[in-house]
Amino acid sequence: EPEVTQTPSHQVTQMGQEVILRCVPISNHLYFYWYRQILGQKVEFLVSFYNNEISEKSEIFDDQFSVERPDGSNFTLKIRSTKLEDSAMYFCASRGQGPGANVLTFGAGSRLTVL
Amino acid sequence: RKEVEQDPGPFNVPEGATVAFNCTYSNSASQSFFWYRQDCRKEPKLLMSVYSSGNEDGRFTAQLNRASQYISLLIRDSKLSDSATYLCVVREPGGGADGLTFGKGTHLIIQP
Repeated sequence: EPEVTQTPSHQVTQMGQEVILRCVPISNHLYFYWYRQILGQKVEFLVSFYNNEISEKSEIFDDQFSVERPDGSNFTLKIRSTKLEDSAMYFCASRGQGPGANVLTFGAGSRLTVL
Repeated sequence: RKEVEQDPGPFNVPEGATVAFNCTYSNSASQSFFWYRQDCRKEPKLLMSVYSSGNEDGRFTAQLNRASQYISLLIRDSKLSDSATYLCVVREPGGGADGLTFGKGTHLIIQP
C-alpha cells in the first residue's frame, strides 16, 4: 500500500536553531499538508500546498515557518528559529484528485523536541 | 471559528460491548466528515468517511445529523484492538478551508 514517508522520525534541537522536516508524499498525489500535534493535544492544521504554492495556512503558520517542494518528490517544512513551544509531532499528509480523493493519508510523523 | 467538539473520555468498556460516541461541529457549511483512529504516538489513520445517509463498515457504524450538526460512531462487539483515540474530523467545502479540522479525540479503552 502506498505510504507517506517522513524523516527524521525524531529530531532534538536547541532553541533558535533552524529545522527542516522532510516528507515524501504518495507519488500520484497532488495536495500536500503539514499538521502538528503537541503532546496530549489535538491535531492542528498548519498549511496546505497545491500546484507549487501554499493554498491555505493557519494562524500557527507564521513567518518562522515555510514549505517547499524542491524536486517534485520531497515536501519540506522549515522552521527558521525554533522555540520551545514548537516541540510537537509534525505530520505530513497528502491526497490525490478525483473520486475517493477526499481522504488524507498521513505519514508516521516527525517528533521535534526543542531544548 | 471552526470548532469540532468531542467528549475526551476515557470510555472504559468491557470487551464485546457496544460503545458509541458523538462529535459536534460548529460550521454548518461543513460537507466532509470522517472518523480517524489514532494509536498512542502514531499518525491518524482513516477509519471511515461519514456519508449523509449513514454508513456501516463491519462492526463500525457512522451517522450524520446535519440538523443538529453532529456525527456519531458506534462500535459493536468491541475488541481489545479497538482501544485507541477516535478523532472526529471535518472539512469545509472547497474554496474555504482546504485542511481538515480535528476534534481532540475520544479515548477508548477496551477491557478484557
